[in-house]
Amino acid sequence: QKEVEQNSGPLSVPEGAIASLNCTYSDRGSQSFFWYRQYSGKSPELIMSIYSNGDKEDGRFTAQLNKASQYVSLLIRDSQPSDSATYLCAVNFYGNQFYFGTGTSLTVIP
Amino acid sequence: SAVISQKPSRDICQRGTSLTIQCQVDSQVTMMFWYRQQPGQSLTLIATANQGSEATYESGFVIDKFPISRPNLTFSTLTVSNMSPEDSSIYLCSVGDRGGTEAFFGQGTRLTVV
Repeated sequence: QKEVEQNSGPLSVPEGAIASLNCTYSDRGSQSFFWYRQYSGKSPELIMSIYSNGDKEDGRFTAQLNKASQYVSLLIRDSQPSDSATYLCAVNFYGNQFYFGTGTSLTVIP
Repeated sequence: SAVISQKPSRDICQRGTSLTIQCQVDSQVTMMFWYRQQPGQSLTLIATANQGSEATYESGFVIDKFPISRPNLTFSTLTVSNMSPEDSSIYLCSVGDRGGTEAFFGQGTRLTVV
């Protein structure tokens, strides 16, 4: 298995704060990087993808990628209670194979 | 996007028996993937199912335990054989789009082995 590592948490932030989620990966040949959100008992759903170094913003979400450091992060601004979920970092190797991190559990406290 | 139908959604099985999980996609896809998600854990790739050839298994997973069929470009099955309580998990079918820009997931099969 390719290695994709995340802090398991749990991470708790107050409503309206910024939540910061981090992920590292082992294979320098990784092509694409993703953040999935998984609510309890549900399948993962894609919230962000990033392919090149730098930042990518989509609404309240910002993904950051640093290939030299093999590091990808997700920032959630103005966190809402509905953001409470497990966030999975995923890395794509040479096509459609996705390898997932262990997930970070986020709780946004009203 | 792809719509994936997976069944059964859940099952409770006796140890030593086998369960076959079905995955149907609404469009033709080259590769389908089977994942396991154990309680409180992330997704672990079991194998990649290619149409017309044997599945490719990840380290720690073997064909005798998890035989996979891929008879056409829209359908695959995963069998969990000779089950033990350690096989209790959620099993997820997944497909990727052509550009590898997103993985789509079925609803998952929650398996409990007693």
